[in-house]
Amino acid sequence: KQEVTQIPAALSVPEGENLVLNCSFTDSAIYNLQWFRQDPGKGLTSLLLIQSSQREQTSGRLNASLDKSSGRSTLYIAASQPGDSATYLCAVRPPNGSGNTGKLIFGQGTTLQVKP
Amino acid sequence: NAGVTQTPKFRVLKTGQSMTLLCAQDMNHEYMYWYRQDPGMGLRLIHYSVGEGTTAKGEVPDGYNVSRLKKQNFLLGLESAAPSQTSVYFCASSYYGDTQYFGPGTRLTVL
Repeated sequence: KQEVTQIPAALSVPEGENLVLNCSFTDSAIYNLQWFRQDPGKGLTSLLLIQSSQREQTSGRLNASLDKSSGRSTLYIAASQPGDSATYLCAVRPPNGSGNTGKLIFGQGTTLQVKP
Repeated sequence: NAGVTQTPKFRVLKTGQSMTLLCAQDMNHEYMYWYRQDPGMGLRLIHYSVGEGTTAKGEVPDGYNVSRLKKQNFLLGLESAAPSQTSVYFCASSYYGDTQYFGPGTRLTVL
């Protein structure tokens, strides 16, 4: 059974620092991996999606990497800002297998606080 | 485009009461999902649908029922609410299983 883990559960950094959020998964057979952002009391917003054949994806100050063989993904945030404060969740989509359902398996998230 | 909307935003129920949560999307997406989010548990899939008229069980389906009579709507029902169903419920949709777009959530408390 696929399990997704994010450590640490919470992280506090000063503004301007570069930081890395970690995501690990137990089964390397995945279709893709996605990173989401969730602001307090809000829904999830997709940040980056990495297909299983890709190694990384970039969007602005965000860079996500994927190492399927080791079951790991990282989300790199450059020059962090207070507006980056939120919970970041990673989610793995299993292979289509018996059908294309698009189901996601989520980690518990890392809550990031960027202090001014 | 409103994206994915959920009704209601908040609800308090007594044990044994029933209710229906409504999810609507205006993006012509085929796939729709219902998740619950609990502290320390992440999001867990309750039920999902891969098209109008179809539904399937997710990871934690017990105590819930769903219907997808129209492509744009996905309803989640609780027939007899229990305190263990106190949670935040999120609906999501995707075109054909790719990037999922989430609604703002419904915070449900069962007393």
